[in-house]
Amino acid sequence: GAVVSQHPSRVICKSGTSVKIECRSLDFQATTMFWYRQFPKKSLMLMATSNEGSKATYEQGVEKDKFLINHASLTLSTLTVTSAHPEDSSFYICSASQRASGNTIYFGEGSWLTVV
Amino acid sequence: SQQGEEDPQALSIQEGENATMNCSYKTSINNLQWYRQNSGRGLVHLILIRSNEREKHSGRLRVTLDTSKKSSSLLITASRAADTASYFCATNQAGTALIFGKGTTLSVSS
Repeated sequence: GAVVSQHPSRVICKSGTSVKIECRSLDFQATTMFWYRQFPKKSLMLMATSNEGSKATYEQGVEKDKFLINHASLTLSTLTVTSAHPEDSSFYICSASQRASGNTIYFGEGSWLTVV
Repeated sequence: SQQGEEDPQALSIQEGENATMNCSYKTSINNLQWYRQNSGRGLVHLILIRSNEREKHSGRLRVTLDTSKKSSSLLITASRAADTASYFCATNQAGTALIFGKGTTLSVSS
């Protein structure tokens, strides 16, 4: 089946720095990718929808200047957490939509971000 | 945004018992999917049921969908300790993001 890879799987960064998380569709073209955030013992919250070659659409309450999303190619979307704070510590998961299979959605393995 | 509620929020059972989780949603849907998530890990896709289907089986899993009530249930039969995880329902319309319910945490003790 289709594979979506996220990197890094775990990252620790210092407060005030920026960190980039990559989401790649390994064997299909993903015109649309989605980014989610999950706090411990909570559900996944949709942050933004990313379309290749255009600006991401952010959900209400998500700061677009803090969570920069770039979808520069059909196989790669990146989420950059800028000026990270400890409250940004969370599990971030991406998913990609494969149009060729009727918009089937595939999830990455997730990335744990810890801001110290 | 979240689509709806899962019920119960937490469920503790013994091995061999059946576990039933319910999910409600708010808007019209294209399909409804159930996922499992072990603590600290990614999502595992369990089953997809389309809006024109009422019931679907996969191994020990049975999913029902009632679009008139905007609800779904997931039944795990003959549960095992390895079934211990969080379970989420998720819905979407064609081409849009999956929106997740709040989840049910299942604990199966041996």
